[in-house]
Amino acid sequence: DTAVSQTPKYLVTQMGNDKSIKCEQNLGHDTMYWYKQDSKKFLKIMFSYNNKELIINETVPNRFSPKSPDKAHLNLHINSLELGDSAVYFCASSAGLAGAFNEQFFGPGTRLTVL
Amino acid sequence: DQQVKQNSPSLSVQEGRISILNCDYTNSMFDYFLWYKKYPAEGPTFLISISSIKDKNEDGRFTVFLNKSAKHLSLHIVPSQPGDSAVYFCAASAYGAGNMLTFGGGTRLMVKP
Repeated sequence: DTAVSQTPKYLVTQMGNDKSIKCEQNLGHDTMYWYKQDSKKFLKIMFSYNNKELIINETVPNRFSPKSPDKAHLNLHINSLELGDSAVYFCASSAGLAGAFNEQFFGPGTRLTVL
Repeated sequence: DQQVKQNSPSLSVQEGRISILNCDYTNSMFDYFLWYKKYPAEGPTFLISISSIKDKNEDGRFTVFLNKSAKHLSLHIVPSQPGDSAVYFCAASAYGAGNMLTFGGGTRLMVKP
């Protein structure tokens, strides 16, 4: 019974395309996140989303946009994909309001390859 | 500009011995620290955390120590087991920053039987 799930697990696409990665959590959490793990294995926060409040890491290009249809889902849309977007993307969720110290639960990751 | 650093990319330890993983940070606004464990092709899994008001937190075989003046924390695993072999990430958060975590680069721990 997966707590945080992501689809697809692998995504291979051409430069310039638009793609989405879906994330769902069944933990009843209030806050969801997207992280990017680059080729050097560094995990970097991209977004935090809580109760319609979006906090964006300023280094994230505006080609990336999170969309939350409801509290259990936070999808990541990427426009005009570039080679440098190739990475593993992790979704995570936590209980409580953003700003509190709460353990984050991670999904299994989506490996995006841009050709 | 890495605000959280794990200077040892890998560590090899004999089963039954102590594993010590280190982490340094530069941002004095960080006041909550976590360790995550990651197996290949899986997401990070929370291991243990510590608030800046404490200097030690223990959970079974895992203990995290925090030295605020040195901006240093460490994770001790004792006794180490082969199943502990994984990549360990140190992470930090600052109150009011949306609970967003800043991760270190990870340390690959190999526990040899």
